[in-house]
Amino acid sequence: GAVVSQHPSWVICKSGTSVKIECRSLDFQATTMFWYRQFPKQSLMLMATSNEGSKATYEQGVEKDKFLINHASLTLSTLTVTSAHPEDSSFYICSAPDSSSYNEQFFGPGTRLTVL
Amino acid sequence: GNSVTQMEGPVTLSEEAFLTINCTYTATGYPSLFWYVQYPGEGLQLLLKATKADDKGSNKGFEATYRKETTSFHLEKGSVQVSDSAVYFCALIRMNRDDKIIFGKGTRLHILP
Repeated sequence: GAVVSQHPSWVICKSGTSVKIECRSLDFQATTMFWYRQFPKQSLMLMATSNEGSKATYEQGVEKDKFLINHASLTLSTLTVTSAHPEDSSFYICSAPDSSSYNEQFFGPGTRLTVL
Repeated sequence: GNSVTQMEGPVTLSEEAFLTINCTYTATGYPSLFWYVQYPGEGLQLLLKATKADDKGSNKGFEATYRKETTSFHLEKGSVQVSDSAVYFCALIRMNRDDKIIFGKGTRLHILP
């Protein structure tokens, strides 16, 4: 099946710094990717839809200036958490749809962010 | 709107017990249905899926049948193992391009040896 990777798998940063998380589709192209956030023992919360060549679409309540998304190519989307604070600590997961049928999503392994 | 409801956990079973995790959905049209599994500290892995009514998805001893008449997609396994301990998410995607996946809240499963 299709593979989606994320980098880094975990990151620890100081409060006030910015952190970039990459999501790559390794063996297929993805014009759309999705970014999720998962708090401990909770379900995934969709943050935004990343669109290649255009602006991301953010879900209600998600600050677009806080969580910058750039879909630079058909295989790469990045999420930058700007001026991170401890409450931004979470597990961030990306996914990309099956471009042949759009009836499946392939998930990355996730990135655990800890802000001190 | 579209939604997925699954039984709340945690569910605790002894090894070799029979497992059922209920999942029902609300959706317009004809969605595809999925079960994902998340092991501790890891991302989501697709466990099984079904794309049309009466389809049965199966993998690793787990099964789920797409029941349109009851709008359900219950996950079952005849004999669970300790290694099945994880969080299980029921989900749907409508058959539209770029459509978002809708997750249930997840069910945490603990299997005791």
